[in-house]
Amino acid sequence: QQQVKQSPQSLIVQKGGISIINCAYENTAFDYFPWYQQFPGKGPALLIAIRPDVSEKKEGRFTISFNKSAKQFSLHIMDSQPGDSATYFCAASKGSNTGKLIFGQGTTLQVKP
Amino acid sequence: DAGVTQSPTHLIKTRGQHVTLRCSPISGHKSVSWYQQVLGQGPQFIFQYYEKEERGRGNFPDRFSARQFPNYSSELNVNALLLGDSALYLCASSAQTGDTEAFFGQGTRLTVV
Repeated sequence: QQQVKQSPQSLIVQKGGISIINCAYENTAFDYFPWYQQFPGKGPALLIAIRPDVSEKKEGRFTISFNKSAKQFSLHIMDSQPGDSATYFCAASKGSNTGKLIFGQGTTLQVKP
Repeated sequence: DAGVTQSPTHLIKTRGQHVTLRCSPISGHKSVSWYQQVLGQGPQFIFQYYEKEERGRGNFPDRFSARQFPNYSSELNVNALLLGDSALYLCASSAQTGDTEAFFGQGTRLTVV
């Protein structure tokens, strides 16, 4: 059972554009929703995370939008740069357990100069 | 400060063999989690250990086992290796089980031939 579904699988954006990646979850007990960035040959690195008591969180060029009723959350990357080219994973966990994450399938982002 | 360190970085094993992967968490972190990342997919949770006790186990066969030592380092053991065990094995550490960021190591690339 796929508990966190991520789309699109791949995304190509022009430099300066907005990249949008979406995730949907099934388990209403999830209460922690992070986004991770992974470069080839590296482990995932936390970008930004949100909890269900807020609908939006912004850190620099990265914004999470959260819709509790729809059980969906998304990552927006503003002013996308070639250095943002990487694979992005959404994830979720219960009880705010950051060590037991359920990951989406990943989105490969390519930002063209 | 050193991040999460994993060893070895790469490993080639034959079907049926046994493998031990090692992880040293960030200093002061007591929670260690293991994930399996098959090429092109998101990481899948295998185990979480906190204060040397198992706190969670994912949907993996009994061929997979792990332990955490008094210094909070951890080992992941896989017996009777199958071709399908070929993957990147990631270790993540956090200070506690909840409300603290999980940091990932670079992983061990296991190839089973």
